[in-house]
Amino acid sequence: GENVEQHPSTLSVQEGDSAVIKCTYSDSASNYFPWYKQELGKRPQLIIDIRSNVGEKKDQRIAVTLNKTAKHFSLHITETQPEDSAVYFCAASRSGNTPLVFGKGTRLSVIA
Amino acid sequence: SAVISQKPSRDICQRGTSLTIQCQVDSQVTMMFWYRQQPGQSLTLIATANQGSEATYESGFVIDKFPISRPNLTFSTLTVSNMSPEDSSIYLCSVEEGGDGYTFGSGTRLTVV
Repeated sequence: GENVEQHPSTLSVQEGDSAVIKCTYSDSASNYFPWYKQELGKRPQLIIDIRSNVGEKKDQRIAVTLNKTAKHFSLHITETQPEDSAVYFCAASRSGNTPLVFGKGTRLSVIA
Repeated sequence: SAVISQKPSRDICQRGTSLTIQCQVDSQVTMMFWYRQQPGQSLTLIATANQGSEATYESGFVIDKFPISRPNLTFSTLTVSNMSPEDSSIYLCSVEEGGDGYTFGSGTRLTVV
């Protein structure tokens, strides 16, 4: 089955700097790659996703890149703000009624 | 997008007892997924529930401990049986929205004492 590895497990950046979180996956049939932000005591919230027919997607300060050949995808957050501090999870699935498999998460701290 | 009503939102239970968690979706979905999130950990898939058939469990999870019902295309329950403190976690249900991503319930925070 699918295995998703996520790095780093913790990340501290200064406010205004960029943050990059990287994930690799094992199942070449996976075609859907979402990123979730989870704040303390809340459910994971989708922040951006990408499908295998595109290599990059951007939404304001957040972008995701996908390299299907290497089976890795990354989350980029620019101009970080203290409210970006949270745990971020990557995930992968084949879609089509298959479950998401999650990475272990990255705790991002943005220092003001 | 689909809306999932999950309850209870939290509970404190005595060891040895059982708790049933419910998820109601506002649209018909083929599969429902149940996850566990232990404190400080990621989401781990417990099982996939398909209406009209037995749930499919992931390695490390068994039906006797986590029985699942899926009586129709909008509803599912997960029971945590014979609970121990190690079962203290957040339990979440999820559905896929046919190309529009996945939606999660609000979660059930379970504490076993």
